[in-house]
Amino acid sequence: SYVLTQPPSVSVAPGQTARITCGGNNIRSKSVHWYQQKPGQAPVLVVHDDSDRPSGIPERFSGSNSGNPATLTISRVEAGDEADYYCQVWDNISDHWVFGGGTKLTVL
Amino acid sequence: QVQLVESGGGLVKPGGSLRLSCAASGFTFSDYYVSWIRQAPGKGLEWVSYISNSGNTIYYADSVKGRFTISRDNARNSLYLQMNSLRAEDTAVYYCARMGGGLDYFDYWGLGTLVTVSS
Repeated sequence: SYVLTQPPSVSVAPGQTARITCGGNNIRSKSVHWYQQKPGQAPVLVVHDDSDRPSGIPERFSGSNSGNPATLTISRVEAGDEADYYCQVWDNISDHWVFGGGTKLTVL
Repeated sequence: QVQLVESGGGLVKPGGSLRLSCAASGFTFSDYYVSWIRQAPGKGLEWVSYISNSGNTIYYADSVKGRFTISRDNARNSLYLQMNSLRAEDTAVYYCARMGGGLDYFDYWGLGTLVTVSS
């Protein structure tokens, strides 16, 4: 089955740029989606189809998938961005939806 | 506004059964595919099951296939998950999620309902 690999943790100072990676076999051929989950809350979609933002998501959140790994970039990081972030793809071979293991973003 | 509200969680003994429900509002439920996704305590997200808008196409994760059954009632704007032969490793918060972009991603999530399997 398809596997997505994320770093367990990323730390960044306020105002800096955070980059969270998501690796997978030939991931460039897939559409990658990203979710933010704060403690005790449901996940929220922040980027879909590699680089599109849903309405209401700040422009500071951006995604790219031009190679391996795919990347979620958060610019001008704020304390409120501290959360777990998950990447996700649809594996059309197995008809399964796959999540990465998640990355805990810590704002120093 | 789009709302998804899960219910039916609780404490159940290993080998027991439970039926989860998800009430949808704020959108035309019959137009959308939906899924169940779970999260074990302190762990990551795991997709569990998918059902198409008509109910004709259904998929399950390998970990629940043969034990869980997904269904929907478009007249009642509701999604269900019948869980049988429950195991300790099924303990998790179960979320229902609407699927956007056709088939690819989950654009709205409910708040979840906790299922605890323990003797």
